[in-house]
Amino acid sequence: DTAVSQTPKYLVTQMGNDKSIKCEQNLGHDTMYWYKQDSKKFLKIMFSYNNKELIINETVPNRFSPKSPDKAHLNLHINSLELGDSAVYFCASSHRLAGAFFGELFFGEGSRLTVL
Amino acid sequence: AQTVTQSQPEMSVQEAETVTLSCTYDTSESDYYLFWYKQPPSRQMILVIRQEAYKQQNATENRFSVNFQKAAKSFSLKISDSQLGDAAMYFCAYRRTGANSKLTFGKGITLSVRP
Repeated sequence: DTAVSQTPKYLVTQMGNDKSIKCEQNLGHDTMYWYKQDSKKFLKIMFSYNNKELIINETVPNRFSPKSPDKAHLNLHINSLELGDSAVYFCASSHRLAGAFFGELFFGEGSRLTVL
Repeated sequence: AQTVTQSQPEMSVQEAETVTLSCTYDTSESDYYLFWYKQPPSRQMILVIRQEAYKQQNATENRFSVNFQKAAKSFSLKISDSQLGDAAMYFCAYRRTGANSKLTFGKGITLSVRP
């Protein structure tokens, strides 16, 4: 059983389109994240949800809208895609308290988005 | 704000030899966690090792060990008996304790292993 799974793994689309990436975790965690890894491999947090509540919202264009229907799911919807949105998007999960279970994040396999 | 610095972009090691990857961080917190993640070409992020800041003893996981210097805010990873499968990008990361904290990554280092 995959702990954190994201779909799709690969996404190729045209500029201006709208796309979504879905994420699910079966680890019983209460917090989920979206990270973006750019072409230089730098990983930067975008959003974090705890029990469906947005708790971290970094400086991200409002074309990006996360949605968490329940604590096991966190989806990312991107409107009006731009060339600069091309990246690998990672979903991750953890316990809310970094002092619980050593604070590590468990990552999905990433979704590579290519905008043409 | 917390920052994590990995100043070496690339390193190379001979198979079976030992290599040390450097990481420094900046924080005003006294309690936090430090991690090394490995990202092979498959792009999966794999936890290699973790260190709790309140523990003086350096963490060890099989061939992987860390040198944690809290006063110097340094957290290096030593890989002993390097294997071809160790070739990957390695990311140092920081997370403060408490609620609603995020994991902050360094820029990563590419490790190649020569047969």
